[in-house]
Amino acid sequence: GAVVSQHPSWVICKSGTSVKIECRSLDFQATTMFWYRQFPKQSLMLMATSNEGSKATYEQGVEKDKFLINHASLTLSTLTVTSAHPEDSSFYICSAFYRNNTEAFFGQGTRLTVV
Amino acid sequence: DQQVKQNSPSLSVQEGRISILNCDYTNSMFDYFLWYKKYPAEGPTFLISISSIKDKNEDGRFTVFLNKSAKHLSLHIVPSQPGDSAVYFCAATDSWGKLQFGAGTQVVVTP
Repeated sequence: GAVVSQHPSWVICKSGTSVKIECRSLDFQATTMFWYRQFPKQSLMLMATSNEGSKATYEQGVEKDKFLINHASLTLSTLTVTSAHPEDSSFYICSAFYRNNTEAFFGQGTRLTVV
Repeated sequence: DQQVKQNSPSLSVQEGRISILNCDYTNSMFDYFLWYKKYPAEGPTFLISISSIKDKNEDGRFTVFLNKSAKHLSLHIVPSQPGDSAVYFCAATDSWGKLQFGAGTQVVVTP
């Protein structure tokens, strides 16, 4: 079946540094990928929609200059958390739609801890 | 504005019995519904889905029921197994593909 690979699975960084998270669709092309964030004991919240070859669409309240999204190819989208702060510590998950938008597959997620 | 709601934050069920998880939605434009299972510190795993043109979809131990008039869907797991203990998320999408998630239901299957 379709697989979405996300890397790294966990990262610890110092406050003020930037972290890049990769999301790859391994055996299918994904023109659209989505980035989610989950705080402890809360639901997944959509952050942005990543479109191949164009700018990402951000949800209300998400800072586009802080969470940089690049979808340079049909199999790779990246999320860069710039100038990370402890409040950015969270679980970030990407997903890509497969089979004409009828089935979504998720990456393994990335646990970000900013110290 | 929460468009997908799971009003039961937790559910405890005995091994071998049926688990019933409920989900309500408010957006009538949703035409595809999905259930995901999630373990701590892992990404969600797709379980089962249903299109708005159907009222039931079955896959092994998992069955999803959709009541469009009530804007309600449910996931039945039977028989429940210890490995089913996880958080279950209901999600809905329209033709744009954005998934809206419920808050999740923690299922605990006891021996």
